[in-house]
Amino acid sequence: AQSVTQLGSHVSVSEGALVLLRCNYSSSVPPYLFWYVQYPNQGLQLLLKYTSAATLVKGINGFEAEFKKSETSFHLTKPSAHMSDAAEYFCAVGRSNDYKLSFGAGTTVTVRA
Amino acid sequence: DVKVTQSSRYLVKRTGEKVFLECVQDMDHENMFWYRQDPGLGLRLIYFSYDVKMKEKGDIPEGYSVSREKKERFSLILESASTNQTSMYLCASKVQGGNQPQHFGDGTRLSIL
Repeated sequence: AQSVTQLGSHVSVSEGALVLLRCNYSSSVPPYLFWYVQYPNQGLQLLLKYTSAATLVKGINGFEAEFKKSETSFHLTKPSAHMSDAAEYFCAVGRSNDYKLSFGAGTTVTVRA
Repeated sequence: DVKVTQSSRYLVKRTGEKVFLECVQDMDHENMFWYRQDPGLGLRLIYFSYDVKMKEKGDIPEGYSVSREKKERFSLILESASTNQTSMYLCASKVQGGNQPQHFGDGTRLSIL
């Protein structure tokens, strides 16, 4: 079985500050990892994915995530928050022999002016 | 770009009605999924289909059924709608393979009165 834990259901940052969203996973086999963003009243949009190539993955909108096998983590960062980053973020894990993804509960990001 | 289209953004139905939610994707994806999203509970998988006419139950299939007669279309059916099925419903599709991301529609916000 696989599962995903996102630490912190709400994160508030100042505009221009670092955004750090934490994701830890458990998987019995090497995982595939994804981060998605959801803006209000919209579906989920793929930010980035890790599929066993480089451990530092760059995504859209200036986000990046680092896969750390020893820590079973895949934290998402952005050096400088923008007002448009206010949204809900989901971490998800998949496996090569499975159609499905397991999603974390989500982290809502608020950006203060 | 992948396009996943859900037939309605907002839908209001009455208790006991049979409700159809439609989802169409334009990228010839093998796999399709239906989720519901509720505050604090994240995304929960209702049903998925790994190919035409094939379906499997997800984590919360009770009260729902699905149909996939054509590759591009995946329908979710609420056999007899109840108020506890008021939710945001998200459809997704993906190419076969665990390392492939899911692509989401914009969601249908369904209210059962």
